Amino acid sequence: DSGVTQTPKHLITATGQRVTLRCSPRSGDLSVYWYQQSLDQGLQFLIQYYNGEERAKGNILERFSAQQFPDLHSELNLSSLELGDSALYFCASSAAGLLVDGYTFGSGTRLTVV
Amino acid sequence: QKEVEQDPGPLSVPEGAIVSLNCTYSNSAFQYFMWYRQYSRKGPELLMYTYSSGNKEDGRFTAQVDKSSKYISLFIRDSQPSDSATYLCAMNKDKGAQKLVFGQGTRLTINP
Repeated sequence: DSGVTQTPKHLITATGQRVTLRCSPRSGDLSVYWYQQSLDQGLQFLIQYYNGEERAKGNILERFSAQQFPDLHSELNLSSLELGDSALYFCASSAAGLLVDGYTFGSGTRLTVV
Repeated sequence: QKEVEQDPGPLSVPEGAIVSLNCTYSNSAFQYFMWYRQYSRKGPELLMYTYSSGNKEDGRFTAQVDKSSKYISLFIRDSQPSDSATYLCAMNKDKGAQKLVFGQGTRLTINP
């Protein structure tokens, strides 16, 4: 167990729907990162939050949004889902806003859009 | 062209063999280099972390960075079936950078 908890583990939903993925970082970690992993694109950075504030944004679609709450858990919201959004979504956390020695990843949420 | 290139394999070797995994990159600003191991249906876990050029050894694993060639390697000695996984290289520009750039990952199978 890495200490980063992601729920749900699996999600199957229809096109056009909206889903929320949840992540609880390791105890003491202030930074949360969201990544999307697909077969053709590999691991792609979506967005980072540090202590409740957005710190960096990657190739995140406008249909996607995220937030980090005062208790430091984070949610990734995906709306108007398309078939191409089917992927593994990983959350990772690190102790501070500085990326000194990598992240700790959760086990991911597998999203299937049908 | 991707910033980080990694042969996706698959790579299959017999138990006990020395395994060499490699990545090339195009951005000379990268300074921090990592190797992650990802088992099926699990998240990536950090194996090795190096800064700038040089070698780093940890047990059966050795990471090498050659910044002049923009080339990094991971060597696994005395490979075990439990080493069967996907190995991803990752890198970033400085410790203040907020994201890692990952390679595609190489799928490795160690045959008993």
